[in-house]
Amino acid sequence: DQQVKQNSPSLSVQEGRISILNCDYTNSMFDYFLWYKKYPAEGPTFLISISSIKDKNEDGRFTVFLNKSAKHLSLHIVPSQPGDSAVYFCAAPVPGTYKYIFGTGTRLKVLA
Amino acid sequence: DAGVIQSPRHEVTEMGQEVTLRCKPISGHDYLFWYRQTMMRGLELLIYFNNNVPIDDSGMPEDRFSAKMPNASFSTLKIQPSEPRDSAVYFCGSVRGRGEKLFFGSGTQLSVL
Repeated sequence: DQQVKQNSPSLSVQEGRISILNCDYTNSMFDYFLWYKKYPAEGPTFLISISSIKDKNEDGRFTVFLNKSAKHLSLHIVPSQPGDSAVYFCAAPVPGTYKYIFGTGTRLKVLA
Repeated sequence: DAGVIQSPRHEVTEMGQEVTLRCKPISGHDYLFWYRQTMMRGLELLIYFNNNVPIDDSGMPEDRFSAKMPNASFSTLKIQPSEPRDSAVYFCGSVRGRGEKLFFGSGTQLSVL
């Protein structure tokens, strides 16, 4: 079964603190992961990605960590800002295919 | 580039009617995807195309759903007949190749009454 799973439907964080969003995957052959952010009434937009040959990728306030032994990745946002309030999806292409699958999303609310 | 363009943005129709959603992918992108977003299942892949050919339609929920890509710059997703449970936001996306960013359109909010 090829899945990426986000087990936390929602998360609330104070402005300025760290937000940590989690994602698990089922197949150790997954080799590339992406995070998307989605605002209401808009399409998902690409945020950051990581290849399985790395364990960390950083872009400004956003860092993605990959733990291959645990089949787990996380997105860290530091410091969190009210504009970061959105739904975040993790995604990956299914190994051996061009099929991109997504988790169910985590709704982040950053409180001012 | 204008990005992935979807139309209409909103569609309200009555049960039993035919609905057609449209998508123009980014020029040069060889893969086109149709997704449906629901609260329960998140972003659910319906079908994807490579060079206008359907590759995997295992996510299409029923025979009422069909998708075509007559050329590299246009795709349609059709629901006939539509049912209230089809109400959702439908997204189209395109990507140049595997291991690259998938870009999405703004989506079509479908309401079937």
